[in-house]
Amino acid sequence: SQWGEENLQALSIQEGEDVTMNCSYKTYTTVVQWYRQKSGKGPAQLILIRSNEREKRSGRLRATLDTSSQSSSLSITGTLATDTAVYFCATDGGTGGLSGKLTFGEGTQVTVIS
Amino acid sequence: EAAVTQSPRSKVAVTGGKVTLSCHQTNNHDYMYWYRQDTGHGLRLIHYSYVADSTEKGDIPDGYKASRPSQENFSLILELASLSQTAVYFCASSAQGKGGQLYFGEGSKLTVL
Repeated sequence: SQWGEENLQALSIQEGEDVTMNCSYKTYTTVVQWYRQKSGKGPAQLILIRSNEREKRSGRLRATLDTSSQSSSLSITGTLATDTAVYFCATDGGTGGLSGKLTFGEGTQVTVIS
Repeated sequence: EAAVTQSPRSKVAVTGGKVTLSCHQTNNHDYMYWYRQDTGHGLRLIHYSYVADSTEKGDIPDGYKASRPSQENFSLILELASLSQTAVYFCASSAQGKGGQLYFGEGSKLTVL
């Protein structure tokens, strides 16, 4: 597997709190994407971070990428009940990291309690 | 907003039967993909296509065929459905060289009995 041996993780937090989720990968990559999947829906991309960026922000989201430790994180500040979803990190197996041939991690179930 | 439509959204099939899952995109994207998701797990790539009339094997192609008759349409075919193919299947499209973002459909839940 491209990913570490982690199963689906679950976090429950109060609305308004911040949350950070992490993932690690085995094979070198230059691009990590984060997706959110709400119940009964397909995944939707949240943020794409490249190896030369180390950190990228989009609204309440912040992603980091550390290629030396082969890990990435996604933080959400001021969570809302609508942030309840499963969050996946994914690496792209193609040259340049833009082939769309993604390898997904197992995901983190985030439940925001209002 | 990108639009990827899958049909059927839900299907029950018998072991050994043939199943066809269809996908239609109106994004004018060149790239299309089929992923499989088992309960509580991430998605895994089955087949993909970068151009009409051509398909490629992904990470778990065994037991599946794919067909891309046009830029807009991409089908996944299970010739002999098996119990282990019970899963949710997602189709996605992306634009060549446009940041790698995939646009997913809402999924097709397949139950094989």
